[in-house]
Amino acid sequence: EAGVVQSPRYKIIEKKQPVAFWCNPISGHNTLYWYRQNLGQGPELLIRYENEEAVDDSQLPKDRFSAERLKGVDSTLKIQPAELGDSAVYLCASSLDRRTEDIQYFGAGTRLSVL
Amino acid sequence: DAKTTQPPSMDCAEGRAANLPCNHSTISGNEYVYWYRQIHSQGPQYIIHGLKNNETNEMASLIITEDRKSSTLILPHATLRDTAVYYCIVRVNAGNNRKLIWGLGTSLAVNP
Repeated sequence: EAGVVQSPRYKIIEKKQPVAFWCNPISGHNTLYWYRQNLGQGPELLIRYENEEAVDDSQLPKDRFSAERLKGVDSTLKIQPAELGDSAVYLCASSLDRRTEDIQYFGAGTRLSVL
Repeated sequence: DAKTTQPPSMDCAEGRAANLPCNHSTISGNEYVYWYRQIHSQGPQYIIHGLKNNETNEMASLIITEDRKSSTLILPHATLRDTAVYYCIVRVNAGNNRKLIWGLGTSLAVNP
């Protein structure tokens, strides 16, 4: 069974440029997460989807970040415009989210460098 | 803020048991303890989780104290491939605010 697939693996852009990340979750997983992980830190949740609905986007910087999950499967995360402080690894995860017990499966992440 | 406290680093000899401690003194009655690990340049990987009782699977064992204020992850026979950052996480269960709050983890080095 294929795991969570993310692309690209690496992205280097100049500040003020836009960038987008793509995630394909495990088939059948209704819940999808986007995390940001800064160097030496644990992952920080940006947004959580249940099917196509964003149910927790409280940590998403909405002035420059946006996300969508059309048809409740694939998802994209966009930053426009990117800032130097956005350099990080962006992780996507999916789960069946059985309410009280929730095992999340992660992709390999996209490492973003903003110059 | 993370609800767990872990030592920043640990060492273990290959073939020996690795015991990774975690304190979660403010855990609530319905909150689970999860353990994930992250090997360098990879995404986090689920290991095990529990509520009250001790748990065991093919990867590890989880020992939770009776008062649930701390737990220990045990890798019974550590190998070099177990070198990773291990995260102990309490899952917040509050309506739509269900989420894993990640701390800094323990960097485990398994030495030959």
